[in-house]
Amino acid sequence: DGGITQSPKYLFRKEGQNVTLSCEQNLNHDAMYWYRQDPGQGLRLIYYSQIVNDFQKGDIAEGYSVSREKKESFPLTVTSAQKNPTAFYLCASSMVISSGRGNEQYFGPGTRLTVT
Amino acid sequence: AQSVAQPEDQVNVAEGNPLTVKCTYSVSGNPYLFWYVQYPNRGLQFLLKYITGDNLVKGSYGFEAEFNKSQTSFHLKKPSALVSDSALYFCAVTPAGNNRKLIWGLGTSLAVNP
Repeated sequence: DGGITQSPKYLFRKEGQNVTLSCEQNLNHDAMYWYRQDPGQGLRLIYYSQIVNDFQKGDIAEGYSVSREKKESFPLTVTSAQKNPTAFYLCASSMVISSGRGNEQYFGPGTRLTVT
Repeated sequence: AQSVAQPEDQVNVAEGNPLTVKCTYSVSGNPYLFWYVQYPNRGLQFLLKYITGDNLVKGSYGFEAEFNKSQTSFHLKKPSALVSDSALYFCAVTPAGNNRKLIWGLGTSLAVNP
């Protein structure tokens, strides 16, 4: 899991509540990412950030929000607007944003969110 | 449309036998290709990548992969499987250049039987 930490490992919330997932990295990476993983659907990109104070929507950003106030930190908030929030959430980082330059991503251990 | 296919949802192999996990892709231009492994309830771990050069790429834990441009494939291989190799394997691809996103396969579950 490299130098990326996610907390907590398991999170339970009631429907209608916002919840924030933590992601911290000590790899000095510029780029950070949030993915959602559901059984049989692979990884889907929620948000990514190239640099502090900048972030971009991924493929499934609706119902989520992020911030990037520090290089090391990229928290994800799952809002009450997200219709199916129960999932496994993975944070990743890479040296620079461009996967097209061959930079692999390093992943945290994940947070399993259950909303009832 | 750019895509990655992992045609087998599950692969079963006996311990000590060679294993292959298949990946084919469709991207414009030259591809950069990656393999990751995920153990249960864990994050993904990077195994290996192809950027350029030798078509046979060696990675972590004795895994290797062969880039075949004519068949647009990047199959993951290991000469002798271990029970501890049992996990979920993901192939990912991106066109070379200033692309910001990886395109992920849906994953292949590998079961190595003792």
